[in-house]
Amino acid sequence: GQQVMQIPQYQHVQEGEDFTTYCNSSTTLSNIQWYKQRPGGHPVFLIQLVKSGEVKKQKRLTFQFGEAKKNSSLHITATQTTDVGTYFCAGPRGSTLGRLYFGRGTQLTVWP
Amino acid sequence: NAGVTQTPKFQVLKTGQSMTLQCAQDMNHEYMSWYRQDPGMGLRLIHYSVGAGITDQGEVPNGYNVSRSTTEDFPLRLLSAAPSQTSVYFCASRQKNRDSGYTFGSGTRLTVV
Repeated sequence: GQQVMQIPQYQHVQEGEDFTTYCNSSTTLSNIQWYKQRPGGHPVFLIQLVKSGEVKKQKRLTFQFGEAKKNSSLHITATQTTDVGTYFCAGPRGSTLGRLYFGRGTQLTVWP
Repeated sequence: NAGVTQTPKFQVLKTGQSMTLQCAQDMNHEYMSWYRQDPGMGLRLIHYSVGAGITDQGEVPNGYNVSRSTTEDFPLRLLSAAPSQTSVYFCASRQKNRDSGYTFGSGTRLTVV
């Protein structure tokens, strides 16, 4: 089964509204990564979180790693049409960092 | 740098045929992986490698073989294609250090009829 569970599967927002996607794991993760995939494109690495309770920002994007290192979230403030795409979280299975398992993703649609 | 290069971009196979999807990276990355992407299923790990000569299975390895004879190349072989293997296949690579993410190729869209 999936190492990480991601919700919601779909999200439709009006431009300017905020957006959040959540990622949950049944086991403690050594780190979590986030990727964005534009329609018809390939996944692009956004960020990696390693520390318990870590918060990182990239312009309008805020990434959080839970205190127990079992959950994470990505929040986008004031969405723009350029934010359209699918956002994936991914975590390593076991101690092998090369074995990276992805959640099923949240597909974001932004209406102008 | 070209990054991660996948060939071909599109392929149609008949059931039972075999083929190799090519993947090459010029970034001297130690880790390489193959994923398949199906609607609603996200990216599922097929096989991965942590260095030349070292490969291991991911979530969905059945029907696929890999080898890693060089750091640069990580081909994926379909032994006997089945319609269930119709998918988009992505190859990805990353550095060994803990802070780096995967760089993905542009994908191969495979249809098995």
